Amino acid sequence: GENVEQHPSTLSVQEGDSAVIKCTYSDSASNYFPWYKQELGKRPQLIIDIRSNVGEKKDQRIAVTLNKTAKHFSLHITETQPEDSAVYFCAANTGTASKLTFGTGTRLQVTL
Amino acid sequence: ETGVTQSPTHLIKTRGQQVTLRCSSQSGHNTVSWYQQALGQGPQFIFQYYREEENGRGNFPPRFSGLQFPNYSSELNVNALELDDSALYLCASSLGGTTHNEQFFGPGTRLTVL
Repeated sequence: GENVEQHPSTLSVQEGDSAVIKCTYSDSASNYFPWYKQELGKRPQLIIDIRSNVGEKKDQRIAVTLNKTAKHFSLHITETQPEDSAVYFCAANTGTASKLTFGTGTRLQVTL
Repeated sequence: ETGVTQSPTHLIKTRGQQVTLRCSSQSGHNTVSWYQQALGQGPQFIFQYYREEENGRGNFPPRFSGLQFPNYSSELNVNALELDDSALYLCASSLGGTTHNEQFFGPGTRLTVL
């Protein structure tokens, strides 16, 4: 089955700096890669996603890149703000069954 | 916020008991997936229901079962509860049968097994 690894487990940046979180996946058949943000005690919220036929996608301060050959994808957050502080999860989906395999999460702390 | 709701919010059970968790999917969605999220970890896929049929299952024992109703709401049942079943149980709704895979999560049910 699919295996997703995520690094780093914790990340501390100063407000205004950029943050990058990286994930690798094992199943070359995976075709959909969402990123979720989870604040303490709340539900995971979909913040951006990318499909296997696209190499990069951007939404305001957030971007995701995908390298199918290397089987890795990354989340980039620019101009970080304190409200970006949360746990971020990457995930990979294989086929149309919408079964997501999640990474172990990255706790992002944005300091003033 | 998504239109996905779950009940109850919190639940405390003792070992060996049975529990039923409920999920209402977002309007227009016909697929519900259930995930278990242990403290400090990512969600783990339990199973998925698409048009009232189980459509994929993760590495969970048969005492985890579920069903989906004609209105696409869903239940997760766990029998013979164990201490390790303590976790946040999340459901996610999506539109199956298309290339759109976006899943939207409910707020979760926090289950504590004593």
